[in-house]
Amino acid sequence: QKEVEQNSGPLSVPEGAIASLNCTYSDRGSQSFFWYRQYSGKSPELIMFIYSNGDKEDGRFTAQLNKASQYVSLLIRDSQPSDSATYLCAASNTGNQFYFGTGTSLTVIP
Amino acid sequence: NAGVTQTPKFRILKIGQSMTLQCTQDMNHNYMYWYRQDPGMGLKLIYYSVGAGITDKGEVPNGYNVSRSTTEDFPLRLELAAPSQTSVYFCASSYSSVPDTQYFGPGTRLTVL
Repeated sequence: QKEVEQNSGPLSVPEGAIASLNCTYSDRGSQSFFWYRQYSGKSPELIMFIYSNGDKEDGRFTAQLNKASQYVSLLIRDSQPSDSATYLCAASNTGNQFYFGTGTSLTVIP
Repeated sequence: NAGVTQTPKFRILKIGQSMTLQCTQDMNHNYMYWYRQDPGMGLKLIYYSVGAGITDKGEVPNGYNVSRSTTEDFPLRLELAAPSQTSVYFCASSYSSVPDTQYFGPGTRLTVL
Protein backbone atom coordinates (compact mmCIF):
# COMPACT_ATOMS: atom_id res chain seq x y z
CA GLN A 1 0.00 0.00 0.00
CA LYS A 2 1.50 3.27 -1.12
CA GLU A 3 0.68 5.88 1.48
CA VAL A 4 1.08 9.59 1.85
CA GLU A 5 0.53 10.88 5.35
CA GLN A 6 -0.21 14.38 6.55
CA ASN A 7 -1.18 15.86 9.88
CA SER A 8 -4.85 16.74 9.43
CA GLY A 9 -4.56 19.80 11.65
CA PRO A 10 -6.18 22.20 11.95
CA LEU A 11 -3.10 24.38 11.82
CA SER A 12 -3.62 27.99 12.84
CA VAL A 13 -1.09 30.75 12.26
CA PRO A 14 -1.36 34.54 12.63
CA GLU A 15 -1.32 36.70 9.54
CA GLY A 16 2.24 37.41 8.41
CA ALA A 17 3.70 34.31 10.06
CA ILE A 18 5.28 31.28 8.39
CA ALA A 19 3.03 28.24 7.97
CA SER A 20 4.82 24.88 7.83
CA LEU A 21 3.04 21.88 6.34
CA ASN A 22 4.54 18.41 6.41
CA CYS A 23 4.07 15.18 4.52
CA THR A 24 5.69 11.73 4.58
CA TYR A 25 5.42 9.00 1.96
CA SER A 26 5.95 5.25 2.10
CA ASP A 27 6.89 4.36 -1.49
CA ARG A 28 10.62 4.82 -2.04
CA GLY A 29 9.94 4.62 -5.76
CA SER A 30 8.09 7.93 -5.67
CA GLN A 31 9.81 10.41 -7.90
CA SER A 32 7.65 13.52 -8.00
CA PHE A 33 5.81 15.35 -5.27
CA PHE A 34 3.04 17.89 -5.42
CA TRP A 35 1.32 20.38 -3.17
CA TYR A 36 -2.29 21.31 -3.95
CA ARG A 37 -4.50 23.88 -2.30
CA GLN A 38 -8.19 23.14 -1.98
CA TYR A 39 -10.73 25.66 -0.79
CA SER A 40 -13.89 24.29 0.80
CA GLY A 41 -16.26 22.98 -1.86
CA LYS A 42 -13.78 23.62 -4.67
CA SER A 43 -11.43 21.53 -6.73
CA PRO A 44 -7.71 21.22 -5.96
CA GLU A 45 -5.28 23.59 -7.63
CA LEU A 46 -1.58 22.94 -7.97
CA ILE A 47 0.74 25.19 -5.96
CA MET A 48 4.09 23.53 -6.55
CA PHE A 49 5.80 20.33 -7.57
CA ILE A 50 9.28 19.13 -6.67
CA TYR A 51 11.33 16.13 -7.76
CA SER A 52 14.89 16.91 -6.65
CA ASN A 53 16.24 16.85 -3.12
CA GLY A 54 16.46 20.27 -1.56
CA ASP A 55 14.39 23.42 -1.72
CA LYS A 56 12.30 24.94 -4.47
CA GLU A 57 10.96 28.44 -4.09
CA ASP A 58 8.08 30.13 -5.87
CA GLY A 59 7.05 33.49 -4.48
CA ARG A 60 5.88 33.04 -0.89
CA PHE A 61 5.96 29.25 -1.19
CA THR A 62 8.93 26.94 -0.63
CA ALA A 63 8.75 23.19 -1.13
CA GLN A 64 11.38 21.01 0.51
CA LEU A 65 12.16 17.39 -0.35
CA ASN A 66 14.29 14.89 1.56
CA LYS A 67 14.16 11.54 -0.22
CA ALA A 68 16.35 9.80 2.36
CA SER A 69 13.82 10.65 5.07
CA GLN A 70 10.85 10.31 2.67
CA TYR A 71 9.69 13.72 3.74
CA VAL A 72 8.18 16.65 1.88
CA SER A 73 7.22 20.00 3.31
CA LEU A 74 5.66 23.26 2.22
CA LEU A 75 6.48 26.60 3.81
CA ILE A 76 4.21 29.57 3.28
CA ARG A 77 5.85 32.87 4.19
CA ASP A 78 3.92 36.01 5.09
CA SER A 79 0.72 33.97 5.45
CA GLN A 80 -2.46 35.72 4.37
CA PRO A 81 -6.09 35.00 5.30
CA SER A 82 -6.61 33.99 1.66
CA ASP A 83 -4.16 31.11 2.27
CA SER A 84 -6.73 29.51 4.58
CA ALA A 85 -7.55 26.22 2.87
CA THR A 86 -6.78 22.52 2.94
CA TYR A 87 -3.37 21.61 1.55
CA LEU A 88 -2.99 18.24 -0.13
CA CYS A 89 0.33 16.49 -0.60
CA ALA A 90 0.65 13.98 -3.45
CA ALA A 91 3.34 11.61 -4.68
CA SER A 92 3.80 9.88 -8.00
CA ASN A 93 6.13 7.11 -9.08
CA THR A 94 5.43 6.26 -12.72
CA GLY A 95 3.93 9.54 -13.69
CA ASN A 96 0.52 8.06 -14.24
CA GLN A 97 -0.55 7.20 -10.73
CA PHE A 98 -0.84 9.76 -7.96
CA TYR A 99 -1.27 9.10 -4.25
CA PHE A 100 -2.75 11.86 -2.13
CA GLY A 101 -2.60 12.53 1.57
CA THR A 102 -5.75 13.39 3.50
CA GLY A 103 -4.79 17.06 3.65
CA THR A 104 -3.90 19.60 6.32
CA SER A 105 -6.40 22.32 7.14
CA LEU A 106 -4.73 25.72 7.51
CA THR A 107 -6.36 28.78 9.06
CA VAL A 108 -4.59 32.15 8.90
CA ILE A 109 -5.90 34.43 11.63
CA PRO A 110 -6.09 38.15 10.75
CA ASN B 1 -10.84 27.92 -22.94
CA ALA B 2 -13.37 26.28 -20.65
CA GLY B 3 -10.65 23.98 -19.24
CA VAL B 4 -12.06 20.81 -17.69
CA THR B 5 -15.83 20.62 -17.44
CA GLN B 6 -17.88 18.04 -15.59
CA THR B 7 -21.58 17.26 -15.63
CA PRO B 8 -23.71 16.94 -13.65
CA LYS B 9 -22.72 19.06 -10.64
CA PHE B 10 -24.97 17.12 -8.28
CA ARG B 11 -26.81 13.82 -8.49
CA ILE B 12 -28.76 11.57 -6.17
CA LEU B 13 -28.99 7.91 -7.15
CA LYS B 14 -30.88 5.03 -5.68
CA ILE B 15 -29.03 1.82 -4.84
CA GLY B 16 -28.66 -0.31 -7.95
CA GLN B 17 -29.11 2.52 -10.45
CA SER B 18 -26.46 3.35 -13.04
CA MET B 19 -25.18 6.63 -14.38
CA THR B 20 -22.40 8.22 -16.38
CA LEU B 21 -20.35 11.16 -15.15
CA GLN B 22 -19.20 13.28 -18.04
CA CYS B 23 -15.79 14.94 -18.34
CA THR B 24 -14.56 17.08 -21.22
CA GLN B 25 -11.38 19.08 -21.66
CA ASP B 26 -10.60 21.55 -24.43
CA MET B 27 -6.86 21.87 -23.84
CA ASN B 28 -5.82 18.98 -26.12
CA HIS B 29 -4.39 17.14 -23.14
CA ASN B 30 -3.28 13.55 -23.56
CA TYR B 31 -3.64 12.48 -19.95
CA MET B 32 -6.95 12.34 -18.12
CA TYR B 33 -7.83 11.09 -14.66
CA TRP B 34 -10.81 10.31 -12.48
CA TYR B 35 -10.58 10.74 -8.71
CA ARG B 36 -13.00 10.39 -5.84
CA GLN B 37 -12.77 12.36 -2.62
CA ASP B 38 -14.61 11.21 0.46
CA PRO B 39 -15.32 13.73 3.26
CA GLY B 40 -12.15 14.72 5.12
CA MET B 41 -10.04 12.52 2.89
CA GLY B 42 -7.57 12.95 0.09
CA LEU B 43 -8.18 12.01 -3.50
CA LYS B 44 -8.14 8.40 -4.64
CA LEU B 45 -7.38 7.62 -8.28
CA ILE B 46 -10.10 5.52 -9.94
CA TYR B 47 -8.98 5.30 -13.57
CA TYR B 48 -6.66 7.18 -15.87
CA SER B 49 -5.98 7.44 -19.59
CA VAL B 50 -2.80 8.34 -21.44
CA GLY B 51 -4.53 8.91 -24.75
CA ALA B 52 -7.58 8.04 -26.83
CA GLY B 53 -8.27 4.33 -26.70
CA ILE B 54 -5.95 3.70 -23.72
CA THR B 55 -7.20 3.41 -20.15
CA ASP B 56 -5.87 1.80 -17.00
CA LYS B 57 -6.95 1.16 -13.44
CA GLY B 58 -5.98 3.36 -10.54
CA GLU B 59 -6.12 2.65 -6.85
CA VAL B 60 -9.91 2.14 -6.45
CA PRO B 61 -11.42 0.95 -9.79
CA ASN B 62 -14.03 -1.51 -8.49
CA GLY B 63 -17.59 -0.57 -9.39
CA TYR B 64 -16.53 1.82 -12.16
CA ASN B 65 -15.79 1.71 -15.87
CA VAL B 66 -14.29 4.22 -18.28
CA SER B 67 -13.78 4.72 -21.97
CA ARG B 68 -11.73 7.19 -23.99
CA SER B 69 -12.86 7.35 -27.59
CA THR B 70 -11.69 10.93 -28.17
CA THR B 71 -8.95 13.14 -26.76
CA GLU B 72 -11.53 15.49 -25.27
CA ASP B 73 -13.90 13.14 -23.44
CA PHE B 74 -13.38 10.71 -20.58
CA PRO B 75 -16.71 9.52 -19.14
CA LEU B 76 -16.93 7.51 -15.91
CA ARG B 77 -19.64 4.88 -15.68
CA LEU B 78 -21.11 3.68 -12.38
CA GLU B 79 -22.93 0.38 -12.62
CA LEU B 80 -25.20 -0.81 -9.80
CA ALA B 81 -24.61 2.19 -7.52
CA ALA B 82 -23.88 1.45 -3.87
CA PRO B 83 -23.85 3.78 -0.80
CA SER B 84 -20.05 3.34 -0.66
CA GLN B 85 -19.87 5.29 -3.93
CA THR B 86 -21.24 8.42 -2.27
CA SER B 87 -18.43 10.89 -2.85
CA VAL B 88 -17.25 13.91 -4.79
CA TYR B 89 -15.80 12.93 -8.15
CA PHE B 90 -13.12 15.01 -9.83
CA CYS B 91 -11.87 14.71 -13.36
CA ALA B 92 -8.41 16.07 -14.20
CA SER B 93 -6.21 16.39 -17.24
CA SER B 94 -2.61 17.17 -18.10
CA TYR B 95 -0.66 17.51 -21.32
CA SER B 96 1.97 14.96 -20.34
CA SER B 97 2.92 12.93 -17.31
CA VAL B 98 4.63 14.26 -14.23
CA PRO B 99 5.70 16.78 -13.41
CA ASP B 100 3.19 18.48 -15.67
CA THR B 101 0.33 20.34 -14.01
CA GLN B 102 -2.97 18.55 -13.56
CA TYR B 103 -6.01 20.73 -14.15
CA PHE B 104 -9.07 19.71 -12.20
CA GLY B 105 -12.72 20.05 -13.12
CA PRO B 106 -15.23 21.50 -10.64
CA GLY B 107 -16.39 18.10 -9.42
CA THR B 108 -19.61 16.09 -9.27
CA ARG B 109 -21.20 15.51 -5.87
CA LEU B 110 -22.89 12.09 -5.92
CA THR B 111 -25.12 10.66 -3.21
CA VAL B 112 -26.35 7.07 -3.33
CA LEU B 113 -29.34 6.33 -1.11
